[in-house]
Amino acid sequence: EAGVAQSPRYKIIEKRQSVAFWCNPISGHATLYWYQQILGQGPKLLIQFQNNGVVDDSQLPKDRFSAERLKGVDSTLKIQPAKLEDSAVYLCASSKTGRISGELFFGEGSRLTVL
Amino acid sequence: GESVGLHLPTLSVQEGDNSIINCAYSNSASDYFIWYKQESGKGPQFIIDIRSNMDKRQGQRVTVLLNKTVKHLSLQIAATQPGDSAVYFCAENAWGNEKLTFGTGTRLTIIP
Repeated sequence: EAGVAQSPRYKIIEKRQSVAFWCNPISGHATLYWYQQILGQGPKLLIQFQNNGVVDDSQLPKDRFSAERLKGVDSTLKIQPAKLEDSAVYLCASSKTGRISGELFFGEGSRLTVL
Repeated sequence: GESVGLHLPTLSVQEGDNSIINCAYSNSASDYFIWYKQESGKGPQFIIDIRSNMDKRQGQRVTVLLNKTVKHLSLQIAATQPGDSAVYFCAENAWGNEKLTFGTGTRLTIIP
């Protein structure tokens, strides 16, 4: 079974530029999460989708971050304009159901460096 | 507010010895806890979980202990191997809240 796929793996941009990350969850997984992991910290939830609807985006900085999950499968996370403090690894995860459980599968992440 | 923290940021253990990683949480409503392992350059990987109606759960070489009285849980890894070197996170969830809150993490280094 293929895992959660993310791209790009690495991205370096200058502040005020924009960037987009893509995630393809495990086939059949209804729930998709985007986490932000700053170096030395645990992942922090940015947004959770159930199919193509948003369940929780309370910690998403909506003035600069946006995410969508069209057709309830792939998802993109966009940052525009980027700030220095956005430097982090952006992790995508998916699960079969909406209820939190251990069966949360993470991708390898997209590492963003903002200069 | 809610917080999940770890007592020690780093831990070094001799190969073959047992290791114990600790985690404290502050949300008394937390009823589900998970330990994740994160290797360099990879996403977190599920190790073991425990619900609040249990105080101990065992897996292959791993045991999680939960003490609800002092809001503390620990991960015990038996007979550590070089492949156990990673950062370990505890995470918690409260019923009715779909958010999984991660702690800061403990870096475990296995010394050959």
